[in-house]
Amino acid sequence: RKEVEQDPGPFNVPEGATVAFNCTYSNSASQSFFWYRQDCRKEPKLLMSVYSSGNEDGRFTAQLNRASQYISLLIRDSKLSDSATYLCVPLGGDKLIFGTGTRLQVFP
Amino acid sequence: NAGVTQTPKFQVLKTGQSMTLQCAQDMNHNSMYWYRQDPGMGLRLIYYSASEGTTDKGEVPNGYNVSRLNKREFSLRLESAAPSQTSVYFCASGEVLKNIQYFGAGTRLSVL
Repeated sequence: RKEVEQDPGPFNVPEGATVAFNCTYSNSASQSFFWYRQDCRKEPKLLMSVYSSGNEDGRFTAQLNRASQYISLLIRDSKLSDSATYLCVPLGGDKLIFGTGTRLQVFP
Repeated sequence: NAGVTQTPKFQVLKTGQSMTLQCAQDMNHNSMYWYRQDPGMGLRLIYYSASEGTTDKGEVPNGYNVSRLNKREFSLRLESAAPSQTSVYFCASGEVLKNIQYFGAGTRLSVL
């Protein structure tokens, strides 16, 4: 089993739509989790941390389900500028483990 | 504010050639990292340095060496490039306690 599994997509959604991505991780000892965003041919950038109680940052909501070992990212009111690849990143020991990412394409 | 700076941005090598990828950060971070990213593989850790003077192997260290020159700089060397090392290389820095990493813009390397 891969350490981090994500649906590669692409998810093609119209502007204004709500879209959700899930990610499963294998290391039950992971304590910290993050979502990174990577634009085409650019470097990854931190989008948000994922807290146990779930957290929201504007149009973005992240949730953690430890029992099922999955993390989710919900994007509301999608914008064209949200088009990117979203990387699920649990902390494995003292190192970040990067998923292969889910590609989102928002169209007008 | 430059953040993490990598050079060069692009490089083409012939099999067997050597080169060094440079990375510098101005955020006073203790930890620095080198990753490679290949299609369908995600980011894989090559080497990392938790602090000045220390380096450790990551998931895919074979064929690479690193030097943590000082707190700011962490270089990656390919002694004898192979086509399998064709990839995009990212350097990152971060604070271990916060577990957040900041990435450079990447180096696109092709080995022919």
